[in-house]
Amino acid sequence: DQQVKQNSPSLSVQEGRISILNCDYTNSMFDYFLWYKKYPAEGPTFLISISSIKDKNEDGRFTVFLNKSAKHLSLHIVPSQPGDSAVYFCAASEETSGSRLTFGEGTQLTVNP
Amino acid sequence: NAGVMQNPRHLVRRRGQEARLRCSPMKGHSHVYWYRQLPEEGLKFMVYLQKENIIDESGMPKERFSAEFPKEGPSILRIQQVVRGDSAAYFCASSPSSRRGTFGSGTRLTVV
Repeated sequence: DQQVKQNSPSLSVQEGRISILNCDYTNSMFDYFLWYKKYPAEGPTFLISISSIKDKNEDGRFTVFLNKSAKHLSLHIVPSQPGDSAVYFCAASEETSGSRLTFGEGTQLTVNP
Repeated sequence: NAGVMQNPRHLVRRRGQEARLRCSPMKGHSHVYWYRQLPEEGLKFMVYLQKENIIDESGMPKERFSAEFPKEGPSILRIQQVVRGDSAAYFCASSPSSRRGTFGSGTRLTVV
């Protein structure tokens, strides 16, 4: 059972525009959500996170929005830059599981100059 | 990914051989997690260890796979009698006790 889903395998945007990556989850016990960025042949790198007590967290060009009622979160990158081109993974965890993460399948973001 | 060291980066094994993957966590981190990424898929949790203890191995295949995190030295993920389906990228993450792990660069296992 896929508890975290990223329905868009790929996304292409123009440099300077907004990138919006989406993620849905089914497990209502998830209370902490993260976005990781991954380049080929490297491990995932933490980008931004949000606790379920919040609905928005912002860090520079990156903002994560959480809609608990819809079990949906999104990552906004604005303005997008070519260096943002990578695979983005959404991940979630439950308090009782510590740092054990359940990942989505990933979305390949391509930012065109 | 600086700090969590995984080796080797690439490992080629023939079917039936054993594969040993090593992970040295960041200094001060006592929690280690192993994940596997099959081609075109996301990362899947395998096992969570603390020093000398397996805390959660619910993601580990029932046979041929084992993991340890000894008092001294790196965490080891061992795969016995490898098969082609074991070919994947194996990632280790460590954390002090927080909800966010730091990942290593992974070991890419190819079974020929």
